[in-house]
Amino acid sequence: LAKTTQPISMDSYEGQEVNITCSHNNIATNDYITWYQQFPSQGPRFIIQGYKTKVTNEVASLFIPADRKSSTLSLPRVSLSDTAVYYCLVGPMDSSYKLIFGSGTRLLVRP
Amino acid sequence: GAGVSQSPSNKVTEKGKDVELRCDPISGHTALYWYRQRLGQGLEFLIYFQGNSAPDKSGLPSDRFSAERTGESVSTLTIQRTQQEDSAVYLCASSLGGRSNTGELFFGEGSRLTVL
Repeated sequence: LAKTTQPISMDSYEGQEVNITCSHNNIATNDYITWYQQFPSQGPRFIIQGYKTKVTNEVASLFIPADRKSSTLSLPRVSLSDTAVYYCLVGPMDSSYKLIFGSGTRLLVRP
Repeated sequence: GAGVSQSPSNKVTEKGKDVELRCDPISGHTALYWYRQRLGQGLEFLIYFQGNSAPDKSGLPSDRFSAERTGESVSTLTIQRTQQEDSAVYLCASSLGGRSNTGELFFGEGSRLTVL
């Protein structure tokens, strides 16, 4: 399983765009990139998933360069409620596998 | 309910006692995971079940930890002779698994264990 590296923490202000980058230099050909969000006292929840280029949903965008050795989660116009820990994971989807979470990025959004 | 259900939500026990934590996955989800999360830390993988295959127990920290799963339903995580360092939130997650797997895990609210 590809190991991921993310910043430990990030600070932002309401209304700003936040970009969290994850490095996964050893990503395999059949690995997908998935991001989860965790609020205090809750289990993580799925945000977005992608394989290459760009994926966008109602919550975030995910940018993946051609070499796929990194990915960037983009949160547009963050609010206080986006304060959470964000985890980047990589792994294959064509068969079952165990998902290993790293330490995540603790995002603090200030007023 | 439609989500992953865990019980108890909170458990306080004395050092040396055994505890059992229960997880009810989403119906039809063949994959089930247990994670441990200490205060302020990331998720630590414990064990993974996929259908009727042998579970991946590579994350269990010691032989005091064990987990069972009945078919593709309920799972129980057992911690014997609890120690203070076992204090954490124990999170269970399920996913479709197998060929239907989308990579999306659905988590329960967790069981908070405090060992005095």
